Amino acid sequence: DTGVSQDPRHKITKRGQNVTFRCDPISEHNRLYWYRQTLGQGPEFLTYFQNEAQLEKSRLLSDRFSAERPKGSFSTLEIQRTEQGDSAMYLCASSPYASGEKLFFGSGTQLSVL
Amino acid sequence: EDQVTQSPEALRLQEGESSSLNCSYTVSGLRGLFWYRQDPGKGPEFLFTLYSAGEEKEKERLKATLTKKESFLHITAPKPEDSATYLCAVQTGANNLFFGTGTRLTVIP
Repeated sequence: DTGVSQDPRHKITKRGQNVTFRCDPISEHNRLYWYRQTLGQGPEFLTYFQNEAQLEKSRLLSDRFSAERPKGSFSTLEIQRTEQGDSAMYLCASSPYASGEKLFFGSGTQLSVL
Repeated sequence: EDQVTQSPEALRLQEGESSSLNCSYTVSGLRGLFWYRQDPGKGPEFLFTLYSAGEEKEKERLKATLTKKESFLHITAPKPEDSATYLCAVQTGANNLFFGTGTRLTVIP
């Protein structure tokens, strides 16, 4: 069990640029989640997949955000036309349970938009 | 609207000084209450899930309890390695967790 892996760990970009993050979940986990966390706050839910199907999206996920999970394995989160307010830690989590409990989180991608 | 409030925001304890962290919640239809630990620069690490009032779970120096309106995380004789942010989260009808803002615990040797 190698845990949930996220890449890159840190990303600095200029406002208006597009960025893409990758998440590799624990191999046998069929559910994958994206959360966003800002300093001093708890993680906020963005979206989740069961296998390759994106089943739920938060209203926080504006049309500049898109997530994919081709073939139900790794997932990518893309942010287009980044804004300074997008600066945050983007956390990926996976779960083996049908109820979605007991999430296993990765170490996150820290995004800084200048 | 679902609400999760954690207190205190920050807590400093001497090593060996026991205390409790509070998580109060207002949700429609609680499916589970979760406690996670988060170290700086890392993702949250699962500690406990509680499902019904009166339930208790223990792990080493930590004990979590649940009532109809709140949960407590009791820390007995803490050590410096217990220093972290402790997050409470609730699962309602949706397939995701709603987190509080956490309690930042510092244990001084």
